[in-house]
Amino acid sequence: NAGVTQTPKFRVLKTGQSMTLLCAQDMNHEYMYWYRQDPGMGLRLIHYSVGEGTTAKGEVPDGYNVSRLKKQNFLLGLESAAPSQTSVYFCASSRAGTSRGYTFGSGTRLTVV
Amino acid sequence: RKEVEQDPGPFNVPEGATVAFNCTYSNSASQSFFWYRQDCRKEPKLLMSVYSSGNEDGRFTAQLNRASQYISLLIRDSKLSDSATYLCVVNKGDNAGNMLTFGGGTRLMVKP
Repeated sequence: NAGVTQTPKFRVLKTGQSMTLLCAQDMNHEYMYWYRQDPGMGLRLIHYSVGEGTTAKGEVPDGYNVSRLKKQNFLLGLESAAPSQTSVYFCASSRAGTSRGYTFGSGTRLTVV
Repeated sequence: RKEVEQDPGPFNVPEGATVAFNCTYSNSASQSFFWYRQDCRKEPKLLMSVYSSGNEDGRFTAQLNRASQYISLLIRDSKLSDSATYLCVVNKGDNAGNMLTFGGGTRLMVKP
């Protein structure tokens, strides 16, 4: 049981390039989330999904797009990368219900130069 | 005011010491509370849920005070391996799925 898997683990992009981060979970969780973590800022929610085919904006959605075509996958896209998007990105998933915590992936370290 | 506030630390303690962290939350509608642990350059991992009556898991004790809207984590007999950042986590108490808000974390360093 792999849990939540993120690919790639590391990436360096040039300003203006695009890329997609992939998150896959094998726990049949309904909800999935993308966060970014920056020094001194804590975890900030970018986008989330409460089910296949549905997505919603979090607290810092600008510059990112997401898709949830399959229940087990949640993709995060950067259309035109900017240095301000240099961060560690974490994907997480959870079951429905307010008493459940999240399971996180191991993160993607992205540097935009 | 941040939704979840924690003292960032670091808390530097010797092995064997008892250390306590507090966090405060602003949303009185919150119903679920957690402590997560995050090691350097790793993902956050669930340490324990926090229940209204307080709960214990080995050397770790969590308490919730709904009236004052704060949560605490007590670690007894600290080990070197307890060195990490501890995140206080609170749900938003709304119907938008299982939305959690993470505090900025409290860093603990246990020294020999």
